[in-house]
Amino acid sequence: GENVGLHLPTLSVQEGDNSIINCAYSNSASDYFIWYKQESGKGPQFIIDIRSNMDKRQGQRVTVLLNKTVKHLSLQIAATQPGDSAVYFCAELKATGGGNKLTFGTGTQLKVEL
Amino acid sequence: NAGVTQTPKFRILKIGQSMTLQCAQDMNHNYMYWYRQDPGMGLKLIYYSVGAGITDKGEVPNGYNVSRSTTEDFPLRLELAAPSQTSVYFCASSFSHVGEQFFGPGTRLTVL
Repeated sequence: GENVGLHLPTLSVQEGDNSIINCAYSNSASDYFIWYKQESGKGPQFIIDIRSNMDKRQGQRVTVLLNKTVKHLSLQIAATQPGDSAVYFCAELKATGGGNKLTFGTGTQLKVEL
Repeated sequence: NAGVTQTPKFRILKIGQSMTLQCAQDMNHNYMYWYRQDPGMGLKLIYYSVGAGITDKGEVPNGYNVSRSTTEDFPLRLELAAPSQTSVYFCASSFSHVGEQFFGPGTRLTVL
């Protein structure tokens, strides 16, 4: 069945360090993957996505890596800032004829220590 | 643009009551979605719609109903509220079937 899960429920990093948030998935038929950031009391906010035919994609201070061999996804945040503190979800998007269906993992809480 | 808006922000219901959670978007998106998020968990898809007049079930549709009479609005109906429906509900929309989904601020529902 579909399963998207995260390795670590909480990650604490020092301000300025790099953060790496990991995600495992089991559905090799998924079309692509999305990382969302959710601040307390708010809805998820899109960070970056990657298609299944890619291994790496970079954005502003963020990089997503996809390893299809071991079904592993990671989000790297460079020079982590206090504003990066949030829960990060990886989501597996499977496009169907009737619309895309997003399957979310349970999330990783990122805490940035000053 | 206001993006995706949801009302109310908070609501407390008694068991057996009914209510409608409102969702609207002004981005002219065809695709709209309803998710629920239980404490410490990810989001689960309740219902979605690919356009006005078309809706389909997601992962956890039981106890809910939706309608999509216009492109802008996608209300979620709870007919007989149960404690298991205590959750935060998020509405989202997207331009295409593959792409970023834009989320509303959520509705926190408690059923006592």
